[in-house]
Amino acid sequence: DAKTTQPPSMDCAEGRAANLPCNHSTISGNEYVYWYRQIHSQGPQYIIHGLKNNETNEMASLIITEDRKSSTLILPHATLRDTAVYYCIVRVYNNNDMRFGAGTRLTVKP
Amino acid sequence: DAGVIQSPRHEVTEMGQEVTLRCKPISGHNSLFWYRQTMMRGLELLIYFNNNVPIDDSGMPEDRFSAKMPNASFSTLKIQPSEPRDSAVYFCASSLQASGYGYTFGSGTRLTVV
Repeated sequence: DAKTTQPPSMDCAEGRAANLPCNHSTISGNEYVYWYRQIHSQGPQYIIHGLKNNETNEMASLIITEDRKSSTLILPHATLRDTAVYYCIVRVYNNNDMRFGAGTRLTVKP
Repeated sequence: DAGVIQSPRHEVTEMGQEVTLRCKPISGHNSLFWYRQTMMRGLELLIYFNNNVPIDDSGMPEDRFSAKMPNASFSTLKIQPSEPRDSAVYFCASSLQASGYGYTFGSGTRLTVV
């Protein structure tokens, strides 16, 4: 019962922006969009989250469409160290039932 | 802050033996989670605790698995008896409940049951 749909893999050139899409057409009004990434052999790492407004932090930007049915994670200047699996998750703000899908494997190439 | 600390990093054991994985959450975090990751099934939520109390253990695969959190700074995940299909990477994560912010994951324990 996947709540999100992501492409299985993407490539990006080093130094360019990486735009990772996520579809969440059944998102509820009280559900947030969260993004995590997992670099090989490490634990997942929190990146960013948002409800309906665009968000930016030191790692990335999150763009959520007005109807909230999809979002895009933007890594503005991808580096080789950004090669990882990126997970898009929707959940209620303080609901601890957070489940991961298959994610998108991003490969940043020199 | 040292982050979420898991031990051991690697564990190799024989089928039928008891295995205990350990986790120390970040000080001040009151929610703790155990996940399992395999190539076939990806990341699976096994169980989570709020304020040391187990809230949802519906992800625990069988009665061979048990988890405890005797205090706010320590949790264990035990498998008894272990089987080869339990081979996986087990992650522990913690968070401050109701903050809505992200979880902090440990580095994981790679378990191999032979």
